Amino acid sequence: DQQVKQNSPSLSVQEGRISILNCDYTNSMFDYFLWYKKYPAEGPTFLISISSIKDKNEDGRFTVFLNKSAKHLSLHIVPSQPGDSAVYFCAANNAGGTSYGKLTFGQGTILTVHP
Amino acid sequence: DTEVTQTPKHLVMGMTNKKSLKCEQHMGHRAMYWYKQKAKKPPELMFVYSYEKLSINESVPSRFSPECPNSSLLNLHLHALQPEDSALYLCASSQVPGEVYGYTFGSGTRLTVV
Repeated sequence: DQQVKQNSPSLSVQEGRISILNCDYTNSMFDYFLWYKKYPAEGPTFLISISSIKDKNEDGRFTVFLNKSAKHLSLHIVPSQPGDSAVYFCAANNAGGTSYGKLTFGQGTILTVHP
Repeated sequence: DTEVTQTPKHLVMGMTNKKSLKCEQHMGHRAMYWYKQKAKKPPELMFVYSYEKLSINESVPSRFSPECPNSSLLNLHLHALQPEDSALYLCASSQVPGEVYGYTFGSGTRLTVV
């Protein structure tokens, strides 16, 4: 049972345009969400996070939106740059439970930004 | 220091070998994690240590043996592995057990079992 889903395996955008990466979850106990960027053979690098008490969090070019009723979150990157090309993972945590900090990851979306 | 350091970066081992992976952080984090990532798959949790005590074992086979000698160091001892155990092994740490604030991953150890 995949509790965190990223249904788009890949996304291709032009430099300067907006990139929108989507993530859905099924476990209503998740209350904290994170986005990571990953290059091959490297560890995930933290980008931005959001608590379930918020519906939006912004950090520079990155904005994460959370729709709790739809169990959906999205990452917006504006403007997209070629250096943003990587695999993006959505991850979720049940901070209020006994997960001891376990992150459950989506399958990832490969973002390619063309110059 | 805001890094999680993993050594070695690459490891090739035979099925009868014994080897260890090492993870170190000096951020004062009191939760440390081992994840396994197979090719084209997301990272999956293996173990969680909270205040140097094993809190979660995600039904990992006993050929993987974790150890947390102190608050800065996490080891993963490997013995009698199978080729299907070949993967990227990621270590992570977070500030407080049970919370994900400051959750930081290392660069991983690429393990190949031959």
